[in-house]
Amino acid sequence: KQEVTQIPAALSVPEGENLVLNCSFTDSAIYNLQWFRQDPGKGLTSLLLIQSSQREQTSGRLNASLDKSSGRSTLYIAASQPGDSATYLCAASPPTTGGKLIFGQGTELSVKP
Amino acid sequence: NAGVTQTPKFRVLKTGQSMTLLCAQDMNHEYMYWYRQDPGMGLRLIHYSVGEGTTAKGEVPDGYNVSRLKKQNFLLGLESAAPSQTSVYFCASTHGETQYFGPGTRLLVL
Repeated sequence: KQEVTQIPAALSVPEGENLVLNCSFTDSAIYNLQWFRQDPGKGLTSLLLIQSSQREQTSGRLNASLDKSSGRSTLYIAASQPGDSATYLCAASPPTTGGKLIFGQGTELSVKP
Repeated sequence: NAGVTQTPKFRVLKTGQSMTLLCAQDMNHEYMYWYRQDPGMGLRLIHYSVGEGTTAKGEVPDGYNVSRLKKQNFLLGLESAAPSQTSVYFCASTHGETQYFGPGTRLLVL
């Protein structure tokens, strides 16, 4: 059974700092790995999707990497801003029909001005 | 283009009452999902559908039923609500990979 874990549960950094969020998964047989952002009281917004055949994806100040052999993905945020404060969730999609996602518990990020 | 919408936004139920949560999407997506989000638990899949007229169980299906009579709608029903079903419920849809989420329904069962 696939399990996804995110450590730490919460992170506080000063504005301008580069930071890395970690995601680990127990089964390397995944279809893709997705990163989402969730603002308080809101739904989830997709940030980046990495196919199982890819090693990384980039969007603006965000870069996500995938290492299936070690069961890890990281989300790198460059030059963090207070507007980046949110909960970040990763989710693994198993290689079965239906496009289901297995979510981690999330990392709550606070960027202080 | 409204994306994924959910009705209602908030509801309070008494134990044993029933209700239906409605999810609607206007993106012509084939796949739709219902998740629940609890503190410290992340999101867990309740039921999902890979097309009109089809449904399947997810990770935590007990106490819930679903229907997908129309492609754009996915209904989640609670036949006899229990306090353990207090949660935030999210609907999502996808055409293949990236999932698009609704704003959520906050349910409190007393």
